[in-house]
Amino acid sequence: KAGVTQTPRYLIKTRGQQVTLSCSPISGHRSVSWYQQTPGQGLQFLFEYFSETQRNKGNFPGRFSGRQFSNSRSEMNVSTLELGDSALYLCASSLIVTGPNEKLFFGSGTQLSVL
Amino acid sequence: GDSVTQMEGPVTLSEEAFLTINCTYTATGYPSLFWYVQYPGEGLQLLLKATKADDKGSNKGFEATYRKETTSFHLEKGSVQVSDSAVYFCALFDAGGTSYGKLTFGQGTILTVHP
Repeated sequence: KAGVTQTPRYLIKTRGQQVTLSCSPISGHRSVSWYQQTPGQGLQFLFEYFSETQRNKGNFPGRFSGRQFSNSRSEMNVSTLELGDSALYLCASSLIVTGPNEKLFFGSGTQLSVL
Repeated sequence: GDSVTQMEGPVTLSEEAFLTINCTYTATGYPSLFWYVQYPGEGLQLLLKATKADDKGSNKGFEATYRKETTSFHLEKGSVQVSDSAVYFCALFDAGGTSYGKLTFGQGTILTVHP
C-alpha cells in the first residue's frame, strides 16, 4: 500500500510569490492534516480536512490556505511568501473518522525555501 | 492550552547503552500520547502510542508508559543501536474536544548513537 505522497519534494521561491503544495493520502484515508516544521518553532499544526471540509485550523495567518478534493487529495497554498515561511511542510493522513483517536501517517514533506 | 515538554538535547550514546528521553505534558482533557521518530530527510513515523493512564506502548524495543499522576510519557530502550540515530518527538492528541488532525508536539530530541 502506497504511503502519503507529497509533491514537490523541494521548492525555491522568492518573497512575494505564492506556492501550492500537493498531498495524496494513503488509499482509503479521508482525513488530511498539514503541519509546518521549522528549527525554531518545531512542528505546528496548520489545518485538517475531511470530505472536502476544513474541520480544524491552527494559528496561522490567512495567507495559508488549503483545500481537499473529492478523491481526498489535498493542496495547501501560501500567498505573498515571506522569508519566515521557509520550512518543511508535512502532510499527514488518517483512517479514523468517527472519533478523535487519531493515528496519523506522515509524508516525507516538501522543503520550501523562500529567498 | 495543551503543551508537551521534552528533555533538552541532543543525546549522544554509545551502542548498547540505555536510553531515556523524558517527556511531560499539560492537557485539559484526556489525551492520547505518542512517540514519533524522524530519520534524516524523511517524514515522521509513529513509534508507539498509549491512549489511557497506565497503558504501556512498545515497538522495536522502545517502551513508554502513560503516567497520569506525573503527566509523563518517558521513552526508554534497553540497548540502542546506531540505526536508532534520529530525532524523537513526543506528542499528544486531546481526545476531549474537536481537535481533528491536531497533534501537539514537543520540540524534539536528537539522538546520535556511536559504534
